[in-house]
Amino acid sequence: DVKVTQSSRYLVKRTGEKVFLECVQDMDHENMFWYRQDPGLGLRLIYFSYDVKMKEKGDIPEGYSVSREKKERFSLILESASTNQTSMYLCASSWRGYQPQHFGDGTRLSIL
Amino acid sequence: GNSVTQMEGPVTLSEEAFLTINCTYTATGYPSLFWYVQYPGEGLQLLLKATKADDKGSNKGFEATYRKETTSFHLEKGSVQVSDSAVYFCALNSGGGADGLTFGKGTHLIIQP
Repeated sequence: DVKVTQSSRYLVKRTGEKVFLECVQDMDHENMFWYRQDPGLGLRLIYFSYDVKMKEKGDIPEGYSVSREKKERFSLILESASTNQTSMYLCASSWRGYQPQHFGDGTRLSIL
Repeated sequence: GNSVTQMEGPVTLSEEAFLTINCTYTATGYPSLFWYVQYPGEGLQLLLKATKADDKGSNKGFEATYRKETTSFHLEKGSVQVSDSAVYFCALNSGGGADGLTFGKGTHLIIQP
């Protein structure tokens, strides 16, 4: 079974902090994704990566950056956390092509 | 751009009732279509998929047929169980796989015993 592991289930940070969310997958997938999930808005794509050191902006990249130094690891970075970034963050990975994405269990992030 | 529209909940049914959750989409090209399910406190799990017109995806008693003429991918199950209570997301991918999925807003399904 594909395993996508997010480093924290729950995280509480303060406004202005730099926050790192880590995601690791064990299936050698080329593609990795970060989404945020908010009530009434569903899931929205923040960033994705189709190869090591490659990144593409999704629908809502503002206030975020990403890093993919190794194929199995994809990090989401909140450069200066703000309260409107309080949300559930979901990482996913997939093979190339029209393959389904496999999701981690999510990180519920609260910015105080 | 791409978009997915699905009925918003909550949808409340009795056990053994017939389930339909509607999903329609707008997309460029020929998208692949997916249904994902999210149980409380968990991430999303792939429920079923269809990659071309008239394909039927099925899993765990759930079915959905890719209807290109009506741009729809409705989820159905003949007899729901309490354990089916969850949030269901319809999604599409039309970017060759390297792009992210476009999701509907999710339908919260509640099954009462």
